This record gives sequence, structure tokens and C-alpha cells, in this order.
Amino acid sequence: QQQVKQSPQSLIVQKGGISIINCAYENTAFDYFPWYQQFPGKGPALLIAIRPDVSEKKEGRFTISFNKSAKQFSLHIMDSQPGDSATYFCAASPGNNRKLIWGLGTSLAVNP
Amino acid sequence: GAVVSQHPSRVICKSGTSVKIECRSLDFQATTMFWYRQFPKQSLMLMATSNEGSKATYEQGVEKDKFLINHASLTLSTLTVTSAHPEDSSFYICSARQGVNTGELFFGEGSRLTVL
Repeated sequence: QQQVKQSPQSLIVQKGGISIINCAYENTAFDYFPWYQQFPGKGPALLIAIRPDVSEKKEGRFTISFNKSAKQFSLHIMDSQPGDSATYFCAASPGNNRKLIWGLGTSLAVNP
Repeated sequence: GAVVSQHPSRVICKSGTSVKIECRSLDFQATTMFWYRQFPKQSLMLMATSNEGSKATYEQGVEKDKFLINHASLTLSTLTVTSAHPEDSSFYICSARQGVNTGELFFGEGSRLTVL
């Protein structure tokens, strides 16, 4: 059973466009929701994270939107650039143990 | 962000040999480190949680005698793949938690293991 469902599996966006990746979770005990970016052959890098006490968090071109009642959260990449082409993972964890439950990933390609 | 160094980045070994992968937190102390395995185009699979000074906690289905984890200091955890076989070939990634209760996770660059 996939506790964190991520969609779409792959995404193609034109340069300058908005990339949107969605995740849904089931466990109401989750209270930490990070997004990671991974380039081929590299480890994941933390992009941005949110806790359920806020509905939105923005850092530069990256925004997390969080809907607690729907148990959904999404990543928006504004003004997408070819350098953003990577695999993006959402994750969630309960409490402070940081034992992350991962989504299956979204492969993003930004065309120049 | 904090830096986690993983070494080696690539290793090729013969079947039956053992391989050690190191994970170091360079500018912070990590009481907890996690070891993951990732197959091509797939998500990360948590193998074990490593706590400094105590035995690692392994996830269901992960052989603790096969994947030996040692977290001897607050900045170093090691994963040893014992008697490696071709099916152990994978991308192994460690992460370290900065702080205790609310610290973020930072990941190493990963280690590509190929067993011939």
C-alpha cells in the first residue's frame, strides 16, 4: 500500500512555464512534508518542506501548497528552467523521527 | 545546507567480496543516519536507521547480517555489504539528521555498487 501517492509520473514543461507535482497521503499522523530534487547519479537534495500548521510556503521559485483536510500537498515550480529537469520526490514522516515515507517520484523535463 | 559526504561514489567488486561505504556529516553532528537503496528509476527504499552508539534498526526484509551498519561516532556511519552478489548491485544513499527533534535530513551523493 502506497502511503504517499505522487503524480504525475512524468512531466514535460516549456521553459518559463509552471511545473506542478501533486502528492496525497493517508496517514493523519504525518506532520512533516518535504520535497526533494534528485539529478541522475546523485543523492536527493532538500528543496522545501512544510508542516501542517501552514497552507503555503514559498522559497524562491518553489512553492508548497498544503491542504490538510484533503490530505494533499503539491509543489509548484514557477518560471521553470531547463536546469530544473530532474526527478522530484515528495515524502512525509510522522513526528520528529524523520523516517520518511517516499512518493514514487516525478521525472520533470523542461524544454528550452 | 549541511554537507554529508559519502565514499566511495562508485565501486566495482567481485562476487563474494565485502564492500564498505562511509557516510560522514562534515559540519554537524548526526545522532541518526539513514541508509537507503535505490534501483534505477525507482524511489528510495529505507534499509535501516543508524543511531550513534547503538545497534541499527533494520526495515522488514533487509538482512542485517548482509548489510552491516556501524555508527561509531556522531559524524560517521558505515554500511558494509558482506559477501556481495550481483543482485546487491544498486545505488546506496545515506542521509543524516541535523539536530535531534526538528532537524532536517541531508543526503550524501550516493554510492554506485556494481558486483560482477
